[in-house]
Amino acid sequence: IAGITQAPTSQILAAGRRMTLRCTQDMRHNAMYWYRQDLGLGLRLIHYSNTAGTTGKGEVPDGYSVSRANTDDFPLTLASAVPSQTSVYFCASSPKAGGQETQYFGPGTRLLVL
Amino acid sequence: GQNIDQPTEMTATEGAIVQINCTYQTSGFNGLFWYQQHAGEAPTFLSYNVLDGLEEKGRFSSFLSRSKGYSYLLLKELQMKDSASYLCAVRDSNYQLIWGAGTKLIIKP
Repeated sequence: IAGITQAPTSQILAAGRRMTLRCTQDMRHNAMYWYRQDLGLGLRLIHYSNTAGTTGKGEVPDGYSVSRANTDDFPLTLASAVPSQTSVYFCASSPKAGGQETQYFGPGTRLLVL
Repeated sequence: GQNIDQPTEMTATEGAIVQINCTYQTSGFNGLFWYQQHAGEAPTFLSYNVLDGLEEKGRFSSFLSRSKGYSYLLLKELQMKDSASYLCAVRDSNYQLIWGAGTKLIIKP
């Protein structure tokens, strides 16, 4: 594989259920990010990781958690899904945090919470 | 608060030129990015500006004025495949990207 992969592509989830969105990159990028994209709003940062073993909260972290056990993987977990978490979720990575580093995006996961 | 403003939608004709504006108010400035996003797809990088002036890359150019909190993306010789949303994003003092809602560009033959 080359780039960033996300799984699943789409999911319908009952409210209250736990769900983990998977993200894997093979570019050996240090920094990784999770965004949500909602109609009429810009991408909003949920959580980020500047390097393996560290994570930080973004603009909208409530209801979500992440882990970064290694360089390649950055899963996002919804502990108890709510309908307001219906969105398109994008994982992204960059060689390092900051500077002119470009972020590269995965194909996205479309999540519907009922 | 932090704010990125872009027009919601623009329409242009194939072969023409279009300018998409972006104004920003952020806590600090560490660069401005333009991304392209086709419907149902992921954003892809177009350009980066950190100093005032014009950056040209083929049919696309991006301009920045830090004193005015203003940027624009200029697309020349428009093609039907340029129909997409164009996202403006500013890297703030915490080195996080703050994103505009995007401008949907519709190209007509």
